[in-house]
Amino acid sequence: QKEVEQDPGPLSVPEGAIVSLNCTYSNSAFQYFMWYRQYSRKGPELLMYTYSSGNKEDGRFTAQVDKSSKYISLFIRDSQPSDSATYLCAMSVGTYKYIFGTGTRLKVLA
Amino acid sequence: EAGVTQSPTHLIKTRGQQATLRCSPISGHTSVYWYQQALGLGLQFLLWYDEGEERNRGNFPPRFSGRQFPNYSSELNVNALELEDSALYLCASSFGQGGETQYFGPGTRLLVL
Repeated sequence: QKEVEQDPGPLSVPEGAIVSLNCTYSNSAFQYFMWYRQYSRKGPELLMYTYSSGNKEDGRFTAQVDKSSKYISLFIRDSQPSDSATYLCAMSVGTYKYIFGTGTRLKVLA
Repeated sequence: EAGVTQSPTHLIKTRGQQATLRCSPISGHTSVYWYQQALGLGLQFLLWYDEGEERNRGNFPPRFSGRQFPNYSSELNVNALELEDSALYLCASSFGQGGETQYFGPGTRLLVL
């Protein structure tokens, strides 16, 4: 079993939809949870960074961590075609060794 | 503020050769991390350097090595290249080790023929 599981998609949604992206994990020691966005042929760009459980909001993005269920989510409100990218979840026990999901490809249709 | 930079953007080598990839971290960042992103796979942790020392390495063979220079820039060397080494190699940097977020560069795309 992989430490971090992420549905690869692709996920296609119409413009303006609410998008829900999810990851599950098996290591209960993970404390730091990140979401990155990666456009084609580019490096990952940090979107959200959370420590431990709870919700964090930043503009149209909300990150949610449920440590009891070992489940994290990223919600995108009012999705735009420019949100079309691969979304990677990442998590770590300490601060250096990030374990990444394989990424979910999102396509927002105009 | 300049982000993480990597060079070259693309690199083509043949099997058995050596490849050298370079990374310059964000100014003020002392930690540099290397990841491999092969097609269809997630990012795999390769190496972590901090203050000039190798602090940790992932599950990769010893022919993957590197170093960090006094100015905190870093070099990744891959010896005896194999076809399956073809991947996007990403460098990230962070400010120290204390729970700081990693910021990624654009990557070097290595193709081994």
